[in-house]
Amino acid sequence: SQQGEEDPQALSIQEGENATMNCSYKTSINNLQWYRQNSGRGLVHLILIRSNEREKHSGRLRVTLDTSKKSSSLLITASRAADTASYFCATFNQAGTALIFGKGTTLSVSS
Amino acid sequence: DTAVSQTPKYLVTQMGNDKSIKCEQNLGHDTMYWYKQDSKKFLKIMFSYNNKELIINETVPNRFSPKSPDKAHLNLHINSLELGDSAVYFCASSRIAGGTNNEQFFGPGTRLTVL
Repeated sequence: SQQGEEDPQALSIQEGENATMNCSYKTSINNLQWYRQNSGRGLVHLILIRSNEREKHSGRLRVTLDTSKKSSSLLITASRAADTASYFCATFNQAGTALIFGKGTTLSVSS
Repeated sequence: DTAVSQTPKYLVTQMGNDKSIKCEQNLGHDTMYWYKQDSKKFLKIMFSYNNKELIINETVPNRFSPKSPDKAHLNLHINSLELGDSAVYFCASSRIAGGTNNEQFFGPGTRLTVL
């Protein structure tokens, strides 16, 4: 079964609003990563948060990690139309040799 | 400068045919991967190669055979294509397998349609 599960599956907001996506995972982790996929394109790495970190920022992105609840959230502040994409969380498999992706959250930002 | 490139971008073929997808990375990475993304956008690891050696082979039919002629290339050959093979296939690479800071770089994907 897959490692990560994103919530919600789809999110529609207006430009300027904040978007929050959540991810839950099942096993212990060394780190958790978030990726973005624009329509018809490959995935692009956004941010990595280690298991001993609780929060991390990168530009308009804020990621939190709660290892006790096995969950992470991605917050995009002051969203733009260009943020329209699918967002995936990913963790490593048990052997640490490949990423296991969640089903993703599809974000639509309208202007 | 394309970091991870795949060819072709689109592939339409008949059931039963054999086809190949090529992948190249110019990042000097040791590890390369093939992922399959289905129509619901679910992305699943298929294979992983580290320094030309297979380290992961998930439950993929043996009709799928990866080949790594060198560290920069990981090609995917598919025999006897079936309708269920229709998907987008992504190649990716990372500096090393595993580790605590292991970002993956993805190619643009190959959309395979089996008729």
